[in-house]
Amino acid sequence: EPEVTQTPSHQVTQMGQEVILRCVPISNHLYFYWYRQILGQKVEFLVSFYNNEISEKSEIFDDQFSVERPDGSNFTLKIRSTKLEDSAMYFCASRGQLGAEAFFGQGTRLTVV
Amino acid sequence: GIQVEQSPPDLILQEGANSTLRCNFSDSVNNLQWFHQNPWGQLINLFYIPSGTKQNGRLSATTVATERYSLLYISSSQTTDSGVYFCAVGPNTDKLIFGTGTRLQVFP
Repeated sequence: EPEVTQTPSHQVTQMGQEVILRCVPISNHLYFYWYRQILGQKVEFLVSFYNNEISEKSEIFDDQFSVERPDGSNFTLKIRSTKLEDSAMYFCASRGQLGAEAFFGQGTRLTVV
Repeated sequence: GIQVEQSPPDLILQEGANSTLRCNFSDSVNNLQWFHQNPWGQLINLFYIPSGTKQNGRLSATTVATERYSLLYISSSQTTDSGVYFCAVGPNTDKLIFGTGTRLQVFP
């Protein structure tokens, strides 16, 4: 069964460092998303991406965040200068069309020290 | 924006018991999904159910879109059902809005 895959599963980084979280969406999907979940809290939307551009972003998604689809298969989230409060589980998701079922990856647990 | 409330926030069951989890949302939606977050943090798709009723083994779900709620039924619960259950809705935008979750603990 097709699935969304994320790497790495866990990343530890020092405050101020750049990190890139990677995702391979389901191959025929067109809509891509990043969500995050701070420990013990609910899952929050960060950004949606379609046709090689951002279609919507939340207030959380400020200038230190960026997304990219560098090739036909990968979808990345870059955090330029990490802060302690960026520590969270980051989920990538994809769907084939608007309103259809969204499929989530297994998540990347980011720890900023 | 749309509000998504889940109840109860916490639920403790003995193995074999049945339970009902509820999700209320404050506006019309075109997408509703139920997820199980396991102890490793993974979000497992349970149901895509913007309306109607679906069943998958011991789990079933019903969404009454006109009354803005959805229910998740778990029958004959097992210890592996433990975790957090999230409802997520899609209003007339692209994203999913997640509820606050119901934490379920099933004891043998």
